Amino acid sequence: GNSVTQMEGPVTLSEEAFLTINCTYTATGYPSLFWYVQYPGEGLQLLLKATKADDKGSNKGFEATYRKETTSFHLEKGSVQVSDSAVYFCALSRIQGAQKLVFGQGTRLTINP
Amino acid sequence: ETGVTQTPRHLVMGMTNKKSLKCEQHLGHNAMYWYKQSAKKPLELMFVYNFKEQTENNSVPSRFSPECPNSSHLFLHLHTLQPEDSALYLCASSQLRDQGSNEQFFGPGTRLTVL
Repeated sequence: GNSVTQMEGPVTLSEEAFLTINCTYTATGYPSLFWYVQYPGEGLQLLLKATKADDKGSNKGFEATYRKETTSFHLEKGSVQVSDSAVYFCALSRIQGAQKLVFGQGTRLTINP
Repeated sequence: ETGVTQTPRHLVMGMTNKKSLKCEQHLGHNAMYWYKQSAKKPLELMFVYNFKEQTENNSVPSRFSPECPNSSHLFLHLHTLQPEDSALYLCASSQLRDQGSNEQFFGPGTRLTVL
């Protein structure tokens, strides 16, 4: 079946540090991959996505590359800010009309000034 | 503003109460979803509606009853809940298509507490 595994949190970094949150997936076929972010007290927001192998999604300084050979979609940012503190969710969805998003368990990120 | 609104934002109810959660999407999408988010657990998909027809029910107890009167509105009717049903209930919508990603847009959620 389809599944997503994220690195366990919580992750605590200092401002301007480099961030990596690992995400690997198991899926049949060719899924689309997503990173969603949830700020305190809010719902989920789409951060970035990639729909095919070697695609790079990017937004707000965050990047993730769809690696089919390693079935990974790791989230990176070169210099984090306090405002990046949130919970990050990796997710997959199958292309061609699939309705289901399969989420990882989420990684809580705290950035200290 | 994500285009998906949910009311109420917070709800406290007793186990014998009946209440409803409301979701409205202003994006012209044709699919809507209910998710449950509990502490320390992955998001759980509860129900999926496609063109107002329920296409998925992930073994959700009957004390949760969804209703989708049109493609813009989705309700979750609650009755005889248990304390373990306390969670954040998230609504989402998407535009289904044969090709391309299934990008879902989420509302802010309703924080439910069952006493």
